[in-house]
Amino acid sequence: GIQVEQSPPDLILQEGANSTLRCNFSDSVNNLQWFHQNPWGQLINLFYIPSGTKQNGRLSATTVATERYSLLYISSSQTTDSGVYFCAVISSGSARQLTFGSGTQLTVLP
Amino acid sequence: DSGVTQTPKHLITATGQRVTLRCSPRSGDLSVYWYQQSLDQGLQFLIQYYNGEERAKGNILERFSAQQFPDLHSELNLSSLELGDSALYFCASSVALAYNEQFFGPGTRLTVL
Repeated sequence: GIQVEQSPPDLILQEGANSTLRCNFSDSVNNLQWFHQNPWGQLINLFYIPSGTKQNGRLSATTVATERYSLLYISSSQTTDSGVYFCAVISSGSARQLTFGSGTQLTVLP
Repeated sequence: DSGVTQTPKHLITATGQRVTLRCSPRSGDLSVYWYQQSLDQGLQFLIQYYNGEERAKGNILERFSAQQFPDLHSELNLSSLELGDSALYFCASSVALAYNEQFFGPGTRLTVL
């Protein structure tokens, strides 16, 4: 099946700093989503972005489908941004389910 | 709030028991997915239902089963529970059969003692 790799696995930032999270995938995809799992365990949808670029406030994402990677940018980070960020994909073809990466644990210090 | 609801939020039970987790999808969504998040396996797909029919199966144990009812809510049944079944169980929904954005419920945290 498709492989999803996220980097870095851990990231510690000072409040106000910017960061870039990366997601590489091993095959073509029809769906790519970014999630934030907060400390209470909730999975919050950030972006649905199988290709192209989107922005939502301080967050933006870019997926280059032909090169099989996606980037999540967080600007002016806040302590509430802490948590785990997951990239998940559905491979092209008959797959229906999301395959998740192992996540990036982000800690934003005050 | 994603619009997907799950009950209960927490469940503590003993080995060998059986539990039922419930999920109501977002209004208008026909697909329901179940995922398991455990410390050692990460987030893994279990099973998908679309408009009442099973459409995809992942690494779901034979002790686990699911169904989707005519009102589109879904239940995940876990039986003969083992310590290793302790995990966070998520339900997600999407509007169509494949490729659409999936929205996740708050999860049910299952602890097997």
